[in-house]
Amino acid sequence: AQSVTQLGSHVSVSEGALVLLRCNYSSSVPPYLFWYVQYPNQGLQLLLKYTSAATLVKGINGFEAEFKKSETSFHLTKPSAHMSDAAEYFCAVTARFSGGYNKLIFGAGTRLAVHP
Amino acid sequence: SQTIHQWPATLVQPVGSPLSLECTVEGTSNPNLYWYRQAAGRGLQLLFYSVGIGQISSEVPQNLSASRPQDRQFILSSKKLLLSDSGFYLCAWRTVGNYGYTFGSGTRLTVV
Repeated sequence: AQSVTQLGSHVSVSEGALVLLRCNYSSSVPPYLFWYVQYPNQGLQLLLKYTSAATLVKGINGFEAEFKKSETSFHLTKPSAHMSDAAEYFCAVTARFSGGYNKLIFGAGTRLAVHP
Repeated sequence: SQTIHQWPATLVQPVGSPLSLECTVEGTSNPNLYWYRQAAGRGLQLLFYSVGIGQISSEVPQNLSASRPQDRQFILSSKKLLLSDSGFYLCAWRTVGNYGYTFGSGTRLTVV
């Protein structure tokens, strides 16, 4: 079975500081990993995805994540936080179940606050 | 272009009333469709998924049901709502071979 653990339900950073959101996964098969962002009362927007190509993945809005198999991690980073980055972030992993169809398993989410 | 529509955006329903939430996708064919629920302060829980017309799989036992009457239409229903059904419901689709999901804008359901 697949699972995702996001360390820290709330993260607070200053504007201009480094953003680091942690994600660890568990998967019995090679995983595909995703980061989504959710603004209040909106759906989820894909930030970036890892699908077994380059281990360092660049996404939208200056975010990037690095797949580290030895650490089973897929942490999200951004060098300099902006006020507009304040949102909830979800890490997700695919799970392959019977029939060959996959489903997306989400972590509990990390709420990022950015203060001046 | 490929788009996904969910409605209504918000809904307030009394306990014991029925529910029908609709999700439609455009610009794609034979998508896998999913219903997720996000309860307050919690992550996303997969409720149902569908790989084709009339094919529904339930992830967790609950007071809800799902139907897929057309290729690009996915409906979430309940005969009698409970307080615990309150939450933010999200529909998503995925085409075969694409490991990314596209989400709708969600429906905020409050059961009172």
